[in-house]
Amino acid sequence: DAKTTQPNSMESNEEEPVHLPCNHSTISGTDYIHWYRQLPSQGPEYVIHGLTSNVNNRMASLAIAEDRKSSTLILHRATLRDAAVYYCINSGGGADGLTFGKGTHLIIQP
Amino acid sequence: SAVISQKPSRDICQRGTSLTIQCQVDSQVTMMFWYRQQPGQSLTLIATANQGSEATYESGFVIDKFPISRPNLTFSTLTVSNMSPEDSSIYLCSVEVYSYGYTFGSGTRLTVV
Repeated sequence: DAKTTQPNSMESNEEEPVHLPCNHSTISGTDYIHWYRQLPSQGPEYVIHGLTSNVNNRMASLAIAEDRKSSTLILHRATLRDAAVYYCINSGGGADGLTFGKGTHLIIQP
Repeated sequence: SAVISQKPSRDICQRGTSLTIQCQVDSQVTMMFWYRQQPGQSLTLIATANQGSEATYESGFVIDKFPISRPNLTFSTLTVSNMSPEDSSIYLCSVEVYSYGYTFGSGTRLTVV
């Protein structure tokens, strides 16, 4: 799995959009870009994943750079329940499993 | 997506003993994954368990310390053997669900005293 780089922490205000960046300059052509989050005292939770095109689901949007060397997870309207550690992971899936980095600790201020 | 039930949710064990963690999935899956999360750290993959074959261990993890069973397509166990305080961690199982990414159990919080 390619190594990803994320800020250690970010802070945002409730009800505002949040943009979480991730750099993955060594991503392979077949690796997907995954985002997971881990709330306190819980296992990681799937957020979104994509390969080349931008992706949207009920939780978030994923914007992928044209060269795929970076991506941004967008939470459109943060709530206090979005406070968690967010992990950006490149993986080919299947037997690869997931290689977790340190992630970004997202703090939401009321 | 799949639902994973993991037992026990937590345990306190004496050093030198062993603990077996169970992971039950509500659907058949080819591969199951076991992770360790040490206090304040990120997750580290221990091994991948495929039904009908021996588990594949990541660097730094060995079968004698972390034996894994995978008797069928919905169940797996991870044993933490001859425990020491350094084994105090959260242990999680995970499965891949097509189009939904990977689903994780809620974890087993192990404290070794």
